[in-house]
Amino acid sequence: DTGVSQDPRHKITKRGQNVTFRCDPISEHNRLYWYRQTLGQGPEFLTYFQNEAQLEKSRLLSDRFSAERPKGSFSTLEIQRTEQGDSAMYLCASSSKGLAGGNEQFFGPGTRLTVL
Amino acid sequence: SQKIEQNSEALNIQEGKTATLTCNYTNYSPAYLQWYRQDPGRGPVFLLLIRENEKEKRKERLKVTFDTTLKQSLFHITASQPADSATYLCALDGGATNKLIFGTGTLLAVQP
Repeated sequence: DTGVSQDPRHKITKRGQNVTFRCDPISEHNRLYWYRQTLGQGPEFLTYFQNEAQLEKSRLLSDRFSAERPKGSFSTLEIQRTEQGDSAMYLCASSSKGLAGGNEQFFGPGTRLTVL
Repeated sequence: SQKIEQNSEALNIQEGKTATLTCNYTNYSPAYLQWYRQDPGRGPVFLLLIRENEKEKRKERLKVTFDTTLKQSLFHITASQPADSATYLCALDGGATNKLIFGTGTLLAVQP
């Protein structure tokens, strides 16, 4: 399978615990995005990497959230001291810049986080 | 701030009819607009991209229009099938990093 993969698919944790999610993008894609989606809403942008550089972070990304893409390949998203409001689907997407600037994004299946 | 609105209620249509979904946006002038399909428990899947200088784009049974004066895009599925039942998301290009700004989505249900 050459698509975007995410691990784990589901995570249940207790409030206050730390969690880490992994995303493996399509291998030739240099752009990687993290989004968060809650029930009945569209995905909301969290952060963007071009190769290994984190170039944009949303104000939604509090200081409890940190993301890395150490070698410009896979990425991790860590949430420290989880809160119930962090419960959501976390989606990863990758892309490469299109010929005319278009940016079709390929999404992974997501990691569903439930904070008890 | 940027705001994107899609049909808030679910759209129910009969198989074989044309489904038309609406995406309206304010406070923004995107370089392009995209439509995605999302099935329950899965990530969005790209369908079509239309640029600001394009009025219409087609792909098989799908057609997208983009009116930058009205700040509106229409998404059409002709000869709809029950397999087309899903949530359809409109997304705008969000600037230099090309992050996507999504609407809330419209749930389409095609009845056999």
